[in-house]
Amino acid sequence: NAGVTQTPKFQVLKTGQSMTLQCAQDMNHEYMSWYRQDPGMGLRLIHYSVGAGITDQGEVPNGYNVSRSTTEDFPLRLLSAAPSQTSVYFCASSYLGLERTEAFFGQGTRLTVV
Amino acid sequence: GENVEQHPSTLSVQEGDSAVIKCTYSDSASNYFPWYKQELGKRPQLIIDIRSNVGEKKDQRIAVTLNKTAKHFSLHITETQPEDSAVYFCAPSLSGYSTLTFGKGTMLLVSP
Repeated sequence: NAGVTQTPKFQVLKTGQSMTLQCAQDMNHEYMSWYRQDPGMGLRLIHYSVGAGITDQGEVPNGYNVSRSTTEDFPLRLLSAAPSQTSVYFCASSYLGLERTEAFFGQGTRLTVV
Repeated sequence: GENVEQHPSTLSVQEGDSAVIKCTYSDSASNYFPWYKQELGKRPQLIIDIRSNVGEKKDQRIAVTLNKTAKHFSLHITETQPEDSAVYFCAPSLSGYSTLTFGKGTMLLVSP
C-alpha cells in the first residue's frame, strides 16, 4: 500500500517561478489537504478538499492554488514563488469517519525560494 | 474555527522520566482528540487518540487523558526513551468533518 505519495522531496525555485507539488493517495479518502510547516508555527492549513471538484481555503491560502479533478490527486500550485514560501509542505489525506479522522501524511517537500 | 494551544513548546527530560504535554482547545463541539508524533525529517504520524466519551486511553508507555469540561487533553509518556525525542502535535476536531487544526507542537528531547 503506497498511502500518500508526494513529489518532489526537495525543490529550489527562483523568485517568480511557478511549480506544482504533486500529491496522490490510494486509500480512497474523501478528504485531502495541504499544510506548510515552519519552525515554531506548527502545521498550517493552506487548502483542503472534501471530494472531487470541491476545494476550499485554509488558514494561509494566498499564493497557492489547488484543484481536485479525481479522488486520488490533489496538486498544489505555486503561482509566483516568493521567499516567504520557503517551507516544508505536507499533503495529507483522511477518512472522515465518525469514530476517527486520522490524517495520513506524504513524505513532505522541502521548498527553498531564492 | 478551533483555537489550539500546546504547552510547553519544548520539554527536556532524562531517560526514564515521565513527560506530559497539554493541549487546550476552544471549540466545545470537538469530540475527537488525537496526538501525532513527528520525528526529525519525517512525516507526522498518529500515535494515540481518544473520543469525548472516554476519559483516558493507554497504549503501552503512552496515554491520553481528556478533561472536556476544561477543554484540554494531555499526552503522557512514561519511562521515556531517546527514541521518544520528536515533535508532538495535538489536533482536536469534530470527527466526520474535514478541517484539522494542529497545535504549534511540542519538541520533546530525551537525554540518555
